[in-house]
Amino acid sequence: DQQVKQNSPSLSVQEGRISILNCDYTNSMFDYFLWYKKYPAEGPTFLISISSIKDKNEDGRFTVFLNKSAKHLSLHIVPSQPGDSAVYFCAASMDSNYQLIWGAGTKLIIKP
Amino acid sequence: KAGVTQTPRYLIKTRGQQVTLSCSPISGHRSVSWYQQTPGQGLQFLFEYFSETQRNKGNFPGRFSGRQFSNSRSEMNVSTLELGDSALYLCASSWDNYEQYFGPGTRLTVT
Repeated sequence: DQQVKQNSPSLSVQEGRISILNCDYTNSMFDYFLWYKKYPAEGPTFLISISSIKDKNEDGRFTVFLNKSAKHLSLHIVPSQPGDSAVYFCAASMDSNYQLIWGAGTKLIIKP
Repeated sequence: KAGVTQTPRYLIKTRGQQVTLSCSPISGHRSVSWYQQTPGQGLQFLFEYFSETQRNKGNFPGRFSGRQFSNSRSEMNVSTLELGDSALYLCASSWDNYEQYFGPGTRLTVT
């Protein structure tokens, strides 16, 4: 049973436009969410996170939105750049320990 | 500050053999987690060690085991390898918070 779901295996976006990556979760006990980015032949790197007490967190071109009632979060990248082409993973955790539950990833392709 | 290092980077083994992978965390990090990544499955959590103790464990069979040394370096071992164990094995370290720093991974191929 996948508790964290990224239903889009891939997403193609024009350079300069907005990229929106989505993530759904089933466990209402999750209270911390993170996005990681992964390039081929490298390990994932931390991008941005959000606590359940917030509904939005912004860091430069990256914004994460959390909708607790819908158990949904999204990552917005504006404007999209060629270097953003990578696989993006959504992860969630409960306060009781730091174990992360991961989604399957979405491959983002930025077209020139 | 040096990042997380994993050795070896690539490994080819045959079914039935056993394998040991190594991970050196970022200096000062006491938590080390191991993940298995296969295409379409995302990152599957294997286990996490903190101060030489296994703190969390995922749903993998007992053939998968690990340990952590006093210098926080960690090893994971897979015995009686199966074809389905072919994957990228990732190690991540953290200071004991949500933000994990990953190594480049070890690509294991079982033939």
